[in-house]
Amino acid sequence: EVQLVESGGGLVKPGGSLRLSCAASGFTFSSYSMNWVRQAPGKGLEWVSSISSSSSYIYYADSVKGRFTISRDNAKNSLYLQMNSLRAEDTAVYYCARPSGWNDWDFDYWGQGTLVTVSS
Amino acid sequence: QSALTQPASVSGSPGQSITISCTGTSSDVGGYNYVSWYQQHPGKAPKLMIYEVSNRPSGVPDRFSGSKSGNTASLTISGLQAEDEADYYCSSYTSSSTLVVFGGGTKLTVL
Repeated sequence: EVQLVESGGGLVKPGGSLRLSCAASGFTFSSYSMNWVRQAPGKGLEWVSSISSSSSYIYYADSVKGRFTISRDNAKNSLYLQMNSLRAEDTAVYYCARPSGWNDWDFDYWGQGTLVTVSS
Repeated sequence: QSALTQPASVSGSPGQSITISCTGTSSDVGGYNYVSWYQQHPGKAPKLMIYEVSNRPSGVPDRFSGSKSGNTASLTISGLQAEDEADYYCSSYTSSSTLVVFGGGTKLTVL
């Protein structure tokens, strides 16, 4: 059974940092690109970042470029998101999401999400 | 403002059909057949309902169908059921640096 379990969320002050993790199981993690998608409270979904299976290709939304860093450790079946210079507008539930395999742009497995709150 | 435009809400009675539109540009919806639709119940993670415009993943009822014309994609739900009440989001690959864009979401109410 495919499972994605996020952790690392919490309350952080503006300008602070946080590192999110996503533990993957039930599939060959090293064969899939992976993504972070976030959802602000009461708002819609926003794609945040993508990393290819071998970390060769990395992409970011303009809203987080230069502040967030995506990475992965295929030996540990884990995905990470280092978030620096956090702003109030980064407050959201952060999901890790796996592409379906039909292509890299639709996501058939999602974690339960981890809440990041940026507030003083 | 979301990159893809969806109606904020739609409603229908049990057994009826509804259609949710998703309008983008030639750089996303109109340019590629990588449109997906997600269903999200309150407090839950999104669920993939349609991929590549019109394909259903295993386990998704055939009451759900997708299509595209020009820069607008559509999700149709026929034979509405109470459990279909949820938020629905479209997404598309985009040739911009953003890579993936979502719509703002549509709240479906089953009357």
